[in-house]
Amino acid sequence: QVQLVQSGAEVKKPGSSVKVSCQASGGIFSNYAISWLRQAPGQGLEWMGGIVPLFSSPNYAQKFEGRVSITKDDSTGTVHMELSNLRSDDTAVYFCARESIALTGPGANYLDYWGQGTLVTVSS
Amino acid sequence: EIVLTQSPATLSLSPGERATLSCRASESVNRYLAWYQHKPGQTPRLLISDASYRATGIPDRFSGSGSGTDFTLTISSLEPEDFAVYYCQQRRSWPITFGQGTRLEIK
Repeated sequence: QVQLVQSGAEVKKPGSSVKVSCQASGGIFSNYAISWLRQAPGQGLEWMGGIVPLFSSPNYAQKFEGRVSITKDDSTGTVHMELSNLRSDDTAVYFCARESIALTGPGANYLDYWGQGTLVTVSS
Repeated sequence: EIVLTQSPATLSLSPGERATLSCRASESVNRYLAWYQHKPGQTPRLLISDASYRATGIPDRFSGSGSGTDFTLTISSLEPEDFAVYYCQQRRSWPITFGQGTRLEIK
């Protein structure tokens, strides 16, 4: 059974950066895109970007280009998402999720396994 | 980006009743639409893919229909565990986008 386990909640100051981790177990780590999404309070889900570990090159939503970086560590089966220059409206729950079709994406498929979510609070 | 609009925002029903949730796309997504269930403190759960195909383990009281721009998720007879927020998502156009959600609450 595929499991995605995310790192814990973070509180950050405006202008700083946050790095959230997502460790995968079960399944084949390298063949499926891992996407990052967020849900701000009272809002819907928003796709930020993702990576297919086998291909290494991440894709990012235009809105987050230049502010987000997604990397992977094959040795631990972990994908990291770093968001920089944080603002108060970045306060959200951040999810990682596995895309459902191998060797495609990221940002192109349904999401069949999800991490538990990580609350990032940006406050001065 | 394709915009998905869900209605109603909140739906109040009783267990045993039929629920009908709507998702409308700003342009055609063919049948490339999914539905998710999200309960507080849990991870979102994929219910339906490609408009009408139930994911593994999803009860048959959940059904999806539609194509093009108009889609429906129907829950034939609500169970207590079905009260949650439901999202639609398209994969017709990169990047994937989601609707704002419908909150299904107990009346």
